[in-house]
Amino acid sequence: GDSVTQMEGPVTLSEEAFLTINCTYTATGYPSLFWYVQYPGEGLQLLLKATKADDKGSNKGFEATYRKETTSFHLEKGSVQVSDSAVYFCALSDNTGANSKLTFGKGITLSVRP
Amino acid sequence: NAGVTQTPKFRILKIGQSMTLQCAQDMNHNYMYWYRQDPGMGLKLIYYSVGAGITDKGEVPNGYNVSRSTTEDFPLRLELAAPSQTSVYFCASRISGGAAGANVLTFGAGSRLTVL
Repeated sequence: GDSVTQMEGPVTLSEEAFLTINCTYTATGYPSLFWYVQYPGEGLQLLLKATKADDKGSNKGFEATYRKETTSFHLEKGSVQVSDSAVYFCALSDNTGANSKLTFGKGITLSVRP
Repeated sequence: NAGVTQTPKFRILKIGQSMTLQCAQDMNHNYMYWYRQDPGMGLKLIYYSVGAGITDKGEVPNGYNVSRSTTEDFPLRLELAAPSQTSVYFCASRISGGAAGANVLTFGAGSRLTVL
């Protein structure tokens, strides 16, 4: 079945550091890929998405490129802020039609110190 | 819009007790989901529904039941609470259709359940 693998965490960075969070996937067909973010005490919310190979999703300074050849969707940000401290989830959608569902990775906690 | 509303936010249960977690959305979404989130384990799908009167099992349905009598509401029932059900529960919804990119979920704020 489909699966999403995220790098092990947690990750602690200083403000203005460069961020990379790795995500690889296994899926049949042509999935859509997503990054969701969960701020403390809140539910998940969509950060960015990409629906086909070579698409780049971007939002709030974060970027991720759908790489079919390496089955990856790594999240990057050039300069993190304290307000980026959260849990980040990579996810894929199997796009099989009406019953298509999301498969989530385990999530990684990012802490940004001033 | 309120989005997806979950109640209660916190609850402590004793082993063997029953309770219902409530979920309501006001976005006219046909698709609704219940996930549980355990530390270091990501989100696991418990049950989902593609419309009123239709429900189906996810990855981890044992010990839970759902119903979907209206488009707006999707309650999750725990009949005989067990310590293994200690978790944070999230309800989510989305628009209809399986087109690529349509699977953008709107999540509630979560319900933290502890079973002692």
